[in-house]
Amino acid sequence: GAVVSQHPSRVICKSGTSVKIECRSLDFQATTMFWYRQFPKQSLMLMATSNEGSKATYEQGVEKDKFLINHASLTLSTLTVTSAHPEDSSFYICSASDRGVYGYTFGSGTRLTVV
Amino acid sequence: AQKVTQAQTEISVVEKEDVTLDCVYETRDTTYYLFWYKQPPSGELVFLIRRNSFDEQNEISGRYSWNFQKSTSSFNFTITASQVVDSAVYFCALSGGDTDKLIFGTGTRLQVFP
Repeated sequence: GAVVSQHPSRVICKSGTSVKIECRSLDFQATTMFWYRQFPKQSLMLMATSNEGSKATYEQGVEKDKFLINHASLTLSTLTVTSAHPEDSSFYICSASDRGVYGYTFGSGTRLTVV
Repeated sequence: AQKVTQAQTEISVVEKEDVTLDCVYETRDTTYYLFWYKQPPSGELVFLIRRNSFDEQNEISGRYSWNFQKSTSSFNFTITASQVVDSAVYFCALSGGDTDKLIFGTGTRLQVFP
């Protein structure tokens, strides 16, 4: 079956630093990748949609300069949280779609803590 | 705009009880997909089912069953003879149209007590 690998699973960083989260589709080509953010006891909020080779489309209210998304290949997308602040602490989860057989496959998530 | 509503925030049941989780959706697309996911405390999303808008047949998988009714825009999920391991947050989600976005409901936290 389809597998999406997301790394790191947990990261603690200092305020003001940048953190990169990777999302890889291991056994299929992901036409589209999605990044979600989840606060404790809340739902998954879509942050952005990225298609390979093109700029990401951000949801309303999401700062594109703060959350940089790169989708360099059909198997890799990265989310970089720039100049992280404590309010960026959250659970980030990626999803890859091949618009076909596998539908949506989710990574295992990254728990970011900014101190 | 697409929207998914899960009116039940939290449900508590005792083991072996049946429980139904409600999901109501809104979309203008004629072709769309509905999903249910389980999120245990570890955070990972576990895929349960995908249903397309043209297939209104109910589905049963072991203790799980789903009732899809387009007339009421609902896609409800029933767990029969619940077990403690069913304790988790359950999300209903919707995708459709050109954007391929998957939109989640607010989730229902299910607690099954022994």
